Amino acid sequence: AQKVTQAQTEISVVEKEDVTLDCVYETRDTTYYLFWYKQPPSGELVFLIRRNSFDEQNEISGRYSWNFQKSTSSFNFTITASQVVDSAVYFCALSDKRSNDYKLSFGAGTTVTVRA
Amino acid sequence: EAQVTQNPRYLITVTGKKLTVTCSQNMNHEYMSWYRQDPGLGLRQIYYSMNVEVTDKGDVPEGYKVSRKEKRNFPLILESPSPNQTSLYFCASSLGLAGVNEQFFGPGTRLTVL
Repeated sequence: AQKVTQAQTEISVVEKEDVTLDCVYETRDTTYYLFWYKQPPSGELVFLIRRNSFDEQNEISGRYSWNFQKSTSSFNFTITASQVVDSAVYFCALSDKRSNDYKLSFGAGTTVTVRA
Repeated sequence: EAQVTQNPRYLITVTGKKLTVTCSQNMNHEYMSWYRQDPGLGLRQIYYSMNVEVTDKGDVPEGYKVSRKEKRNFPLILESPSPNQTSLYFCASSLGLAGVNEQFFGPGTRLTVL
């Protein structure tokens, strides 16, 4: 069965610090997709990134960057120079070909608090 | 504006009183899902629909029903709510499979069953 582990329940940083959120996944399949979603205090989840198993290229989008390492089954997310608006719950998610219809399996989430 | 809407946003009810949470999307998406979010468990899929009149169970379907009579609407029905269904519920839509495509989420419905 597929599984996603976000070991960090809560992270608190001061503004402008960098913060890295860990995501470790388990799957037996060679074809799979990884996602990150953000849930700000308003509650609505927002898509951040999708990566498939054949694309290990790291991604940078502004202050956000993602490090995908198949060797360690990790898809970590870094916020550089954090801001108060980055305060949110962040979810990592996985789907693989073995699960029926590529259903998503979410991690428990990491709550990030950025203090001014 | 592209969006997913849910109603109501907040609901307090009593055990056994049937309720419906509505969900509507204006993006012409094929795929729609219902999730529940509980502390420490992330989001778990309740039901999903790949198209009109096509629905299937997710990971935690017990106690819930859905229907997809129109492409834009995907209501969640609790025939006889129980306290263990107290949770935060999200509707989501996507162009295709949720595990392959970006999902657009509604604002959430916080349900309390007494």
